[in-house]
Amino acid sequence: QKEVEQNSGPLSVPEGAIASLNCTYSDRVSQSFFWYRQYSGKSPELIMSIYSNGDKEDGRFTAQLNKASQYVSLLIRDSQPSDSATYLCAALDSNYQLIWGAGTKLIIKP
Amino acid sequence: SAVISQKPSRDICQRGTSLTIQCQVDSQVTMMFWYRQQPGQSLTLIATANQGSEATYESGFVIDKFPISRPNLTFSTLTVSNMSPEDSSIYLCSVEVSGQSSYEQYFGPGTRLTVT
Repeated sequence: QKEVEQNSGPLSVPEGAIASLNCTYSDRVSQSFFWYRQYSGKSPELIMSIYSNGDKEDGRFTAQLNKASQYVSLLIRDSQPSDSATYLCAALDSNYQLIWGAGTKLIIKP
Repeated sequence: SAVISQKPSRDICQRGTSLTIQCQVDSQVTMMFWYRQQPGQSLTLIATANQGSEATYESGFVIDKFPISRPNLTFSTLTVSNMSPEDSSIYLCSVEVSGQSSYEQYFGPGTRLTVT
């Protein structure tokens, strides 16, 4: 099992709907998790970090961490075409290095 | 967060030559990282650069091919040596900043390298 796994997509969501992006992780990574957004041709941009079990909200974004099931999710409410990007899930390992998922391509259809 | 700049933003180089990429951050940081990202792929860590010590390279990357300098807490360079077309990629530097409960990494804009 890879340490951080994501479905590569593409995930197609109609404008205005909720986009749900998921990521699972192995025991080897720590309990610090990050969601990055990467537009085509651009560098990754940190949009959410989560360390505690439960939900963390920031504007239209909600990160969810479930340690028992070893998954972390990112919900995007009221999806906009500008949210179309690749979303990368990352987790810190015991050496404080980021372990990256493959990324999920999200397409918001007008 | 941190404001990070990279130079050059892109370059086209001939095989066998070398290119040095610069990374400048607007605040002092302990940890800097160099990544490579192939088209359509996720990020691959090349090395970690701490100021005042030798860079730590990941499996598959060696100092002779990717020498790194870290002369102070705001600057680092990565050199891609004796380039081949397989080195064509986006090279990204990132810095580690203390967040609320953990460390967070922020990225520079990247350097798009094409080797012909």
